[in-house]
Amino acid sequence: DAKTTQPNSMESNEEEPVHLPCNHSTISGTDYIHWYRQLPSQGPEYVIHGLTSNVNNRMASLAIAEDRKSSTLILHRATLRDAAVYYCILTSYNFGNEKLTFGTGTRLTIIP
Amino acid sequence: DGGITQSPKYLFRKEGQNVTLSCEQNLNHDAMYWYRQDPGQGLRLIYYSQIVNDFQKGDIAEGYSVSREKKESFPLTVTSAQKNPTAFYLCASSPSGTGISPLHFGNGTRLTVT
Repeated sequence: DAKTTQPNSMESNEEEPVHLPCNHSTISGTDYIHWYRQLPSQGPEYVIHGLTSNVNNRMASLAIAEDRKSSTLILHRATLRDAAVYYCILTSYNFGNEKLTFGTGTRLTIIP
Repeated sequence: DGGITQSPKYLFRKEGQNVTLSCEQNLNHDAMYWYRQDPGQGLRLIYYSQIVNDFQKGDIAEGYSVSREKKESFPLTVTSAQKNPTAFYLCASSPSGTGISPLHFGNGTRLTVT
């Protein structure tokens, strides 16, 4: 299974943009890039996903490199409520959700 | 609102007792999952079910059991055979079991066994 690599932790100032990187150098052509985040003492929540093109939704933007070997989750204006662990995960039609790997993700700290 | 409900939020048990964690969803999702999370760790899959009356072992099924008699319910029993049961347990569901269907998670049950 293709794996992802994320920094263990990042810090950002409140009200500034945050760029969370993810490397997935062994990604295959059928793999989607999903992002989830987990607030303290809660279950993970879906944030965004994409295949090749950049994606935007109300929560965040996802920028995908042209070679698809890396991606960046962008929070345009961080708030204290964005402090969470962010998971970057590869998914595919070729395997079920039971194959997904939620590693340790990136712990994002927001500085007031 | 549709969602996944896990109850209770906190659960305390004595060693040697079996305990059942509840997971109910009203999203009409076919697939359901149980994960375990230990402090500072990622999620590990315990059991999953793609359809009613069918379920499969995940990566760490030993000491756990499940049932899927109804589409909306997927209870997890932590048996006395589970060596280290104290953990945060998360239930999730997805519309189908395919890898691109986003997972919807409950808010977890924190089990403490002493």
